[in-house]
Formats: sequence, C-alpha cells, structure tokens
Amino acid sequence: DAGVIQSPRHEVTEMGQEVTLRCKPISGHNSLFWYRQTMMRGLELLIYFNNNVPIDDSGMPEDRFSAKMPNASFSTLKIQPSEPRDSAVYFCASSSRTVVNSPLHFGNGTRLTVT
Amino acid sequence: KQEVTQIPAALSVPEGENLVLNCSFTDSAIYNLQWFRQDPGKGLTSLLLIQSSQREQTSGRLNASLDKSSGRSTLYIAASQPGDSATYLCAVRQGSGNTPLVFGKGTRLSVIA
Repeated sequence: DAGVIQSPRHEVTEMGQEVTLRCKPISGHNSLFWYRQTMMRGLELLIYFNNNVPIDDSGMPEDRFSAKMPNASFSTLKIQPSEPRDSAVYFCASSSRTVVNSPLHFGNGTRLTVT
Repeated sequence: KQEVTQIPAALSVPEGENLVLNCSFTDSAIYNLQWFRQDPGKGLTSLLLIQSSQREQTSGRLNASLDKSSGRSTLYIAASQPGDSATYLCAVRQGSGNTPLVFGKGTRLSVIA
C-alpha cells in the first residue's frame, strides 16, 4: 500500500498565478479530505468528498479555491488566482467510509509558497 | 462549534521520563477521538483511535484515555525516547460515517538524550 500520494511536495509561485495540487487516495478508500495547516490556525478542513461527491465545502476560504474529484483515485485542489496569504501546507487524507471507525490516513502534504 | 485545545503547546523532557499530553474538547457528543504524530515536513500518522464507548487504548508505550463526559483525553508516553520527539495532535469526529475530524493545534514534544 503506497499510502496517500500528493504532488507536488513543494510549490513556489508568484501572486496571481494558478496553482493545482493533486492527491491520490489509498485504493479502496471512498472518503477524501483536503486540509490546510498554518502555524497560526493549525489544521483546518477545506472540503471533503464521499464517493467522489463533495459533501461540505464550507471551509473553502474564497471562490478562488475549488476542488474536484473526477474519480475514486484522483482529486485536485486549485487556487486561482493565488495570493501570499494562501501560503501553507495543504494535506490530503483518505479513509474508508464502509469500515466503522476507520482511521484517517494523511499524505505528506504540499508546501505552497506564494510570493 | 466543536473546539479542541491541547496543553501544553510545547514540552521538553529528559530521556526516560514518563509524560502526559492533554486534549480537551468543548462538545462531548463525539463519535471517536484520534491521536496523531507529525514529524517535521511530514504528514500525520495515526497513533491511536478511541471509540466514544471506550475508556482507553494502548499501543506499545502509548496509552490514550478518554473521558467523554468531561471532554478530555490524555496521551501517556512511557519511558520517553529521543525518537518520540514530534508534534502530537488530538482530533475528534462528531458524527458517524466519515464526517471530518476537528483538530487541536498540537503539542510539540522534545525528548532530550
């Protein structure tokens, strides 16, 4: 099991540019979560999907943020246009909705720096 | 709205010492509670998961307890080692199924050899 795979590991971009973060959940997991981590605010939920359907996107900070899950093995988080305050570590996590008390498995994150 | 607090924010102990990390949550109607470990530049690794009906879970030198009615959990680490140095995060799940976890900000632990 390769675990949750995120790419890229690091992204440095200039303000105004589009940023796309990618996630491959663990095979067989049908729930996927996007979190953002900063020193000030800790880990915050942005959006989550069950069976590829977005369930709650109330954590998405602005319309500049969007997320998709076109199939069970891939999700993207897009920021357009990016701003310096978007700099953070973005984590993707997955779990099995059919297993009671299934623990959450995290990827290694994407460290985003917007200059 | 559920809020999770972890105290202390940082802790430094000598190797071999037993230690306790604290977690509190404002809404006691939780489904389960999870403790994670995060190493610098890495993702989170699940350590222990306690169901709402359970009082504690153990894994090796780690023991997590849950007092749902008072909104508290503790993570006990026995005979600490330098390799235990990391940030430890507590998270609670409100509903069944796969509702999201609400995280505390973590306790940064340093074990000094």
